[in-house]
Amino acid sequence: SQTIHQWPATLVQPVGSPLSLECTVEGTSNPNLYWYRQAAGRGLQLLFYSVGIGQISSEVPQNLSASRPQDRQFILSSKKLLLSDSGFYLCAWGRGQAQQGNNEQFFGPGTRLTVL
Amino acid sequence: KQEVTQIPAALSVPEGENLVLNCSFTDSAIYNLQWFRQDPGKGLTSLLLIQSSQREQTSGRLNASLDKSSGRSTLYIAASQPGDSATYLCAVRRFSGGYNKLIFGAGTRLAVHP
Repeated sequence: SQTIHQWPATLVQPVGSPLSLECTVEGTSNPNLYWYRQAAGRGLQLLFYSVGIGQISSEVPQNLSASRPQDRQFILSSKKLLLSDSGFYLCAWGRGQAQQGNNEQFFGPGTRLTVL
Repeated sequence: KQEVTQIPAALSVPEGENLVLNCSFTDSAIYNLQWFRQDPGKGLTSLLLIQSSQREQTSGRLNASLDKSSGRSTLYIAASQPGDSATYLCAVRRFSGGYNKLIFGAGTRLAVHP
C-alpha cells in the first residue's frame, strides 16, 4: 500500500530564517507530487506540482521554491521566511500522468509552520 | 477562473440529524469532484470522488451528488455522529495550464454534539 510522509510535523521559525520541508512517498513509482498551503480559514492553495524528477511547476509567485531530487521525494524550501509564510503545508501525490483527468490525490499529514 | 464556494462555513447539530453540505463551482468544465474530511491539525482524507459523467456516489452513511451543469454538489451525511465532527472540503479537478489541478473550497466546519 502507498503511504506519504511529511516532516517535521510542526515548526516554529523566525522571520528571515531558511526553511526546508520534506515529503516522501512509499509504495508507488513516478507519482505526481503536489505542495499545498492552507491558511487559517481558507481553502487549500496549490503551490507547486511535479510530474518527475527535476520537473517543477509553480502555481503562484511567492517566497518559496520546490525541488524533487528523487522520484518519491519532494522538498519545499525558502531562503528567507516571511510572516505571511505561516500556515499548514500539505504534500499530496497522485497516480499516473498529470495530464490524465481522473487521478485522485492522496494527502500527507501536513506540517504546521509558524513564522514569528 | 474557477472558484469553489462551500456553504455553510460552519454547522453545529445534535447527534442523529441528517445533514447536507453544499459546494458550488463557477466553471462546469471539470473532470471530477472530490469530497475530503480534515480533522484539526491533520491532513486530508478522501471521502468520495464523483466523475464528471456521474450523478452521485455513496459510501456508508455518506452520499455525494453532482450536477455539473448547474455547478453544484452536495454531501449528505445520514444519522450524524460526534465522530463526524471535522472540516469537510470539496475540490474540483480541472485542466489548466497543461495539467489537471484540484481547486478547493474553504470548507464547512461541522460539529456534532451528543
